[in-house]
Amino acid sequence: EPEVTQTPSHQVTQMGQEVILRCVPISNHLYFYWYRQILGQKVEFLVSFYNNEISEKSEIFDDQFSVERPDGSNFTLKIRSTKLEDSAMYFCASSEEPQLAGGGAGELFFGEGSRLTVL
Amino acid sequence: GNSVTQMEGPVTLSEEAFLTINCTYTATGYPSLFWYVQYPGEGLQLLLKATKADDKGSNKGFEATYRKETTSFHLEKGSVQVSDSAVYFCALPGTGGGNKLTFGTGTQLKVEL
Repeated sequence: EPEVTQTPSHQVTQMGQEVILRCVPISNHLYFYWYRQILGQKVEFLVSFYNNEISEKSEIFDDQFSVERPDGSNFTLKIRSTKLEDSAMYFCASSEEPQLAGGGAGELFFGEGSRLTVL
Repeated sequence: GNSVTQMEGPVTLSEEAFLTINCTYTATGYPSLFWYVQYPGEGLQLLLKATKADDKGSNKGFEATYRKETTSFHLEKGSVQVSDSAVYFCALPGTGGGNKLTFGTGTQLKVEL
């Protein structure tokens, strides 16, 4: 069964360092997302991506964050200069159709997550 | 804006016990409601959904009824198994439309023999 894969599963980094989290979405999916969950808190939307550009982003997704689809298979999240508060589980997701506001279409398929620890 | 509140975990049950995980929501209008599940070592996956008030979503023995009177979407299962041990997330579309979901904190369920 097709699945979304994420690497690394766990990364430890020093504050101020750049981090790249990688995702391979399901091959025929067109919509890509990043979510994160800080320990003990809610899963939060970061960004959605379609047709090689950001379609929506949350206020969390500031200039320190960027996303890219460098080739036909990978979808990456880059954090330029990590802060302690960036420590979280980061989930990549993809869908064949958009997740509509009314909740129709676009079932999201998530990866296992990448745990980022910033020291 | 749209939000969900879930009961805190962990919830520990014996096999064959009845499960309820509470979820209440705040939303404009009557958006679709979802339960996602994350089994150990796997990604979140859609468990069930309900697209309008009074709808019941069901899958794998789990059920949830969209109740607009109480703004709730509680997850239930009549007889849990050890294999149901996972984290369960209640979700609804984010505020202002667009292409995102708003999730709860997740409730961890542990089922013991």
